[in-house]
Amino acid sequence: AQSVTQPDIHITVSEGASLELRCNYSYGATPYLFWYVQSPGQGLQLLLKYFSGDTLVQGIKGFEAEFKRSQSSFNLRKPSVHWSDAAEYFCAATGTASKLTFGTGTRLQVTL
Amino acid sequence: DVKVTQSSRYLVKRTGEKVFLECVQDMDHENMFWYRQDPGLGLRLIYFSYDVKMKEKGDIPEGYSVSREKKERFSLILESASTNQTSMYLCASTSDTRSGANVLTFGAGSRLTVL
Repeated sequence: AQSVTQPDIHITVSEGASLELRCNYSYGATPYLFWYVQSPGQGLQLLLKYFSGDTLVQGIKGFEAEFKRSQSSFNLRKPSVHWSDAAEYFCAATGTASKLTFGTGTRLQVTL
Repeated sequence: DVKVTQSSRYLVKRTGEKVFLECVQDMDHENMFWYRQDPGLGLRLIYFSYDVKMKEKGDIPEGYSVSREKKERFSLILESASTNQTSMYLCASTSDTRSGANVLTFGAGSRLTVL
């Protein structure tokens, strides 16, 4: 069955520190991959997406993600976290159909 | 700015009540979705629609139905609300999804509490 796994439920980092959120997928072929962010009380906003080509993709707010086929991973990174990055982050994937499969989310807390 | 609007941000209903959650998009998108979000479970797809009057079941359709009479509006219906339907409900839309490579635009969510 198709699945997306985010192994970290909750992560705390200090402001200015680097961040990496993990995402692994299980699909028959390489899916389309997405990272979304949800601020408290808000809907989801797209950070970045991978469809094909360069395996390092840049997104909004200084985020990037790297697709690694050999590891079935699409980890999200940011070199220096800001307090405003505190939110919940969702990795998602889809094949040729329209249904996105979401991971269970990682809640990021930023300490000052 | 493109927008998906969910009419109710917070609702409190009683067990057995019929509940309507409304979603409107102004992007002329063909495809609309209803997700349910619960802590530790992420987002799970309830129903989606490719076109007016078309609907397809998602992963957890039990206890829900949907209506899409107009392209811009997609309603989620709880025929008889139960406490286990207390949740955050998110509506989303996108244009052609045949390639799978389309991005969903989400509404802000409707938090439903069933007492």
